[in-house]
Amino acid sequence: GAGVSQTPSNKVTEKGKYVELRCDPISGHTALYWYRQSLGQGPEFLIYFQGTGAADDSGLPNDRFFAVRPEGSVSTLKIQRTERGDSAVYLCASSRGRNTEAFFGQGTRLTVV
Amino acid sequence: GESVGLHLPTLSVQEGDNSIINCAYSNSASDYFIWYKQESGKGPQFIIDIRSNMDKRQGQRVTVLLNKTVKHLSLQIAATQPGDSAVYFCAESLNSGGGADGLTFGKGTHLIIQP
Repeated sequence: GAGVSQTPSNKVTEKGKYVELRCDPISGHTALYWYRQSLGQGPEFLIYFQGTGAADDSGLPNDRFFAVRPEGSVSTLKIQRTERGDSAVYLCASSRGRNTEAFFGQGTRLTVV
Repeated sequence: GESVGLHLPTLSVQEGDNSIINCAYSNSASDYFIWYKQESGKGPQFIIDIRSNMDKRQGQRVTVLLNKTVKHLSLQIAATQPGDSAVYFCAESLNSGGGADGLTFGKGTHLIIQP
């Protein structure tokens, strides 16, 4: 079956604009995770969903970042008033349940100019 | 070695040799550890995990060793192949059950397999 799909693969936006990044998890996976990865660094945790609810959003850096998963499948990461420091690869992962192996997508490379 | 700026520590080994990648983790309360492999342009791929009640776990060609006393984790890859070339990350979690919730990743080591 298909893996985790993230769209777009690349996004260039101007400073101050709003962006949405989409994640389609593996079918049937109830857990979904967002991470971001700056150049030369390891991924940094943002948020974890179990079903429709955000079970852990402790990694969101500030209130410009928000994520939703309204039907417990597709998730959207939303970033308001983007800043150049938001430039990174945003990774999504999903797993069958909380305590099972997670599979990562290829990421969305966000560049804020 | 230490990473400086954007430069990852690099380990270069001959094809067929064994490699050992080391990681110093940060939180003595961490209960679960994972090694991930990341190829260029791709997301991290799970390799092997270990819980804090173990000190060694083996998979296919890979072994993870955990030393809680000094907060050290290592990944041993036997008989390295060209496809093993990638960046390897260790990750730690307070969640002993596993999964990818709230993982803290290390900086990564770039493994290069020489033909």
